[in-house]
Amino acid sequence: DIQMTQSPSTLSAFVGDRVTITCRASQSITTYLAWYQQKPGKAPQILIYKTSNLESGVPPRFSGSGSGTEFTLTISSLQPDDFATYYCQQYNSIPLTFGGGTKVEIK
Amino acid sequence: EVQLVQSGAEGKMPGESLRISCKGYGYSFSNYWIGWVRQMPGKGLEWMGTIYPGDSDTRYSPYFQGQVTISADQSTNTAYLQWGSLKASDTAMYYCARRWHDSEFFQYWGPGTQVTVSS
Repeated sequence: DIQMTQSPSTLSAFVGDRVTITCRASQSITTYLAWYQQKPGKAPQILIYKTSNLESGVPPRFSGSGSGTEFTLTISSLQPDDFATYYCQQYNSIPLTFGGGTKVEIK
Repeated sequence: EVQLVQSGAEGKMPGESLRISCKGYGYSFSNYWIGWVRQMPGKGLEWMGTIYPGDSDTRYSPYFQGQVTISADQSTNTAYLQWGSLKASDTAMYYCARRWHDSEFFQYWGPGTQVTVSS
């Protein structure tokens, strides 16, 4: 199985801050990585697929980069609606695996 | 508009059987893979398996193979997740999600079905 490790597990930030979340894969997944946002009591929502492709309707302050084993999700200017938990998911191989999540909290 | 509508919350006792459902609307149900994802209380997301309703081709995570059965009924646009004998450790939220065309990430998600197993 490919293990996905996210860091940090929790992040405290102010509105307007630039925020970066890292996701590392235990082996190369080329660019087969997706990012999801989950708010309390709600289902996850896709933000980014294939490392850097923004899902339709997702604000451009979200961006993704990386390849191989190291990936990042960046929020250029954190907004109140962005406080949530973020998960990465590799889809290079079965079983599909998710990172442990990064909770973004208000500072 | 694509929608996945899941069945309601369930409260069961250990050893009981259960089947929960996920009905797709607004797209050609037979032509898109549907996956199931578990989220235990306060924990992260775990992929359980995925089914292609068109021919019922199913792929399971090795961690859930033999523990659950995934099925689909094209005639009712519904996918199912079932247990033969529930355990307390099956207590979780279960999401169905539709895969994107030909890649294994999930573009649309159902609201989730809470399953609670307790004596």
